[in-house]
Amino acid sequence: DAKTTQPPSMDCAEGRAANLPCNHSTISGNEYVYWYRQIHSQGPQYIIHGLKNNETNEMASLIITEDRKSSTLILPHATLRDTAVYYCIVRDGGTYKYIFGTGTRLKVLA
Amino acid sequence: DTAVSQTPKYLVTQMGNDKSIKCEQNLGHDTMYWYKQDSKKFLKIMFSYNNKELIINETVPNRFSPKSPDKAHLNLHINSLELGDSAVYFCASSQSTGTGYTFGSGTRLTVV
Repeated sequence: DAKTTQPPSMDCAEGRAANLPCNHSTISGNEYVYWYRQIHSQGPQYIIHGLKNNETNEMASLIITEDRKSSTLILPHATLRDTAVYYCIVRDGGTYKYIFGTGTRLKVLA
Repeated sequence: DTAVSQTPKYLVTQMGNDKSIKCEQNLGHDTMYWYKQDSKKFLKIMFSYNNKELIINETVPNRFSPKSPDKAHLNLHINSLELGDSAVYFCASSQSTGTGYTFGSGTRLTVV
């Protein structure tokens, strides 16, 4: 079973920040949080990952709470092309395995 | 250059047939995976190979047999295809040090 819980869907106005939450209350100390997105039926695309510090790259920012039980993916200026299903994944500690949950379907509105 | 390439992109076949899907990555990664995405869009891991060695083998019917001739290739052979095997199959690769996965564009298998 997936170790993460995400809202099933969210809407965001184009140009505004999209904040996608994720709960991972059973995360253990050596487990990373990864975010992927899947646009239509394409292969999932890696966005960002982190352990306990906040991370930023050219696509997004990842904010992880101090207790590591939840995180938020931020797309600073959402565009229509960001419409996708976003998956928050906790990588199974000690293995190479990702277990995907149901994700959040983000719809960016013009 | 495509990083993770799968062939074929579409596959329509009759029940009972045997088919293969091929995957190749040119990223120099040491680990490769097969995932299945069903009609409800759930992505489930099936197999993983690290340096040609099987390391993950989820509860998958033994009609599915992965083969990794080298660490850049991971093929999936399916015997006696059933209607329930219809899905999109994604290949992915990663470096075992913990970087993200790179997924292929998927193979849409339809069993009729």
